Amino acid sequence: KNQVEQSPQSLIILEGKNCTLQCNYTVSPFSNLRWYKQDTGRGPVSLTIMTFSENTKSNGRYTATLDADTKQSSLHITASQLSDSASYICVVSGSNSGYALNFGKGTSLLVTP
Amino acid sequence: DGGITQSPKYLFRKEGQNVTLSCEQNLNHDAMYWYRQDPGQGLRLIYYSQIVNDFQKGDIAEGYSVSREKKESFPLTVTSAQKNPTAFYLCASSIGHGTGELFFGEGSRLTVL
Repeated sequence: KNQVEQSPQSLIILEGKNCTLQCNYTVSPFSNLRWYKQDTGRGPVSLTIMTFSENTKSNGRYTATLDADTKQSSLHITASQLSDSASYICVVSGSNSGYALNFGKGTSLLVTP
Repeated sequence: DGGITQSPKYLFRKEGQNVTLSCEQNLNHDAMYWYRQDPGQGLRLIYYSQIVNDFQKGDIAEGYSVSREKKESFPLTVTSAQKNPTAFYLCASSIGHGTGELFFGEGSRLTVL
């Protein structure tokens, strides 16, 4: 079964600090990997979409990396802000899975003053 | 502005009642999706539609029904057959099925008393 595992499950950091969230997957063959930010009680918002050939992609203070060989991705948040407090969801799509997007359970990030 | 609108935001119903959640998009997207989100779990696909008058079951379709009479609209009915309907429901759309960025609505929280 295709799986997407995220770690840590939750994280608390001080405002201004950096952090890295991890995503490991077993989806094969791989098509793309997406990171979403979901504020509490809201819908997810896309941060990045990465295909097989992309190793790094940035969106402001968010930088995603992808190692398709080891089937690992990370999301690095630089100089965290209080508004970064949210759940971060990793989603992996397989190239032969048709509609199937495989969702991780998310990492809950809390940024404190 | 283009986007996806879900309504209502919050809904309370008695056990045994059917409820319908609305989802409207003005992005001119062909594909639309319904997901269910429970605490500590990844998003799970209920139904999806690739085109008007066509829809397919997802992983957890039992107890749910949908229609796609217009390109812009994809309502979800939670029937009394759904054993545990209390959840956060998310509607999404993309340009084509399995392709392009997935845009989410703000969600509807259903509580069955």
